[in-house]
Amino acid sequence: DAGVTQSPTHLIKTRGQQVTLRCSPKSGHDTVSWYQQALGQGPQFIFQYYEEEERQRGNFPDRFSGHQFPNYSSELNVNALLLGDSALYLCASSSEWGAGLYNEQFFGPGTRLTVL
Amino acid sequence: GENVEQHPSTLSVQEGDSAVIKCTYSDSASNYFPWYKQELGKRPQLIIDIRSNVGEKKDQRIAVTLNKTAKHFSLHITETQPEDSAVYFCAASYPNDMRFGAGTRLTVKP
Repeated sequence: DAGVTQSPTHLIKTRGQQVTLRCSPKSGHDTVSWYQQALGQGPQFIFQYYEEEERQRGNFPDRFSGHQFPNYSSELNVNALLLGDSALYLCASSSEWGAGLYNEQFFGPGTRLTVL
Repeated sequence: GENVEQHPSTLSVQEGDSAVIKCTYSDSASNYFPWYKQELGKRPQLIIDIRSNVGEKKDQRIAVTLNKTAKHFSLHITETQPEDSAVYFCAASYPNDMRFGAGTRLTVKP
């Protein structure tokens, strides 16, 4: 039973470019959340997808967008990259428990994005 | 926003001693409080969690306590071992997101 997987592992981009990161949830999970973790800091919630819709969103600009597919996998897109977007991007999957309630999340290994 | 405060930022203990990490949150609607361990270069791993209808939960050497009135929760690790050395994050569910503390770097000296 595969856990949460992410691709690519590492990515180097230049300012102004666009990037797409991918996540496959743990088997049996239908909810995917994305986080940004800057060096030495805790993960910052970007958004959460359930039933192919963005259900919750943290304090991130519209340059950050996402998508969830019918097989529950998800993509994170970042447009017009800034130097400050350099971070580890983590995907976490969980199973739906109910509105306003949470179930345990399992994190993927992350994608290390470097913006030059 | 950083509405989960975590203390201390670094903690060094001798092997066999206990370690305590404390977190506070601000929204009374928070109902789920997980703790994660993150080793260098690895993904955060859930080590224990607690829901708002429970005051304490224990799993072997790890325990978490929750005080809803004071809006704080704590992680307790007993009989620490060198392999417990890592960064620990607390988190609290908010109405629209999950917020993490800034982390505590725990070092267990043999």
